[in-house]
Amino acid sequence: SQQGEEDPQALSIQEGENATMNCSYKTSINNLQWYRQNSGRGLVHLILIRSNEREKHSGRLRVTLDTSKKSSSLLITASRAADTASYFCATDPGYSSASKIIFGSGTRLSIRP
Amino acid sequence: DAGVTQSPTHLIKTRGQQVTLRCSPKSGHDTVSWYQQALGQGPQFIFQYYEEEERQRGNFPDRFSGHQFPNYSSELNVNALLLGDSALYLCASSGDLGGSRTQYFGPGTRLLVL
Repeated sequence: SQQGEEDPQALSIQEGENATMNCSYKTSINNLQWYRQNSGRGLVHLILIRSNEREKHSGRLRVTLDTSKKSSSLLITASRAADTASYFCATDPGYSSASKIIFGSGTRLSIRP
Repeated sequence: DAGVTQSPTHLIKTRGQQVTLRCSPKSGHDTVSWYQQALGQGPQFIFQYYEEEERQRGNFPDRFSGHQFPNYSSELNVNALLLGDSALYLCASSGDLGGSRTQYFGPGTRLLVL
């Protein structure tokens, strides 16, 4: 079963526009991570936000975390064709060094030229 | 510095056969996790290895087993293959850095069971 659920499942926007993806999860977490996957290849880690952080930036990426609502959002500003990919959130409960990281079902982002 | 490597890249097997997939972690990482990703789905956690021991397991049957070697590389074995085992198998390595375990993924092995 998946811990996180991304919304929307698919998103198509014009190049240059901003893209926002949301993630909801069910249990308490130590941190939440966002990953990108191109065409069924390996996942690339984008950004990690800890449970005591509310917002984090990395280049054109902005991630927010609301632990009271058990939700996170990923904003990609000034989108480019190369941003076309699937994006996954992953939660780390962190209750022990052996705790497992659980992925959501992903948002498929398509950037139109 | 080589990242996470996996072999083979593609594999075709028939039902009932057995398969072994291999993973070499990123330099400096001691933990290896395996995931199964069906088409259009997120990765599903299979198990995690640390210090040559399986220390966490997802909801997968005993047909799925693994091993970690002293050099931290790992193998995933699947016995009695079913059609539903067709998927992309991803290996991820990590090292505990201040309690945050960022995972680095390999390119995956695409398994097709006929």
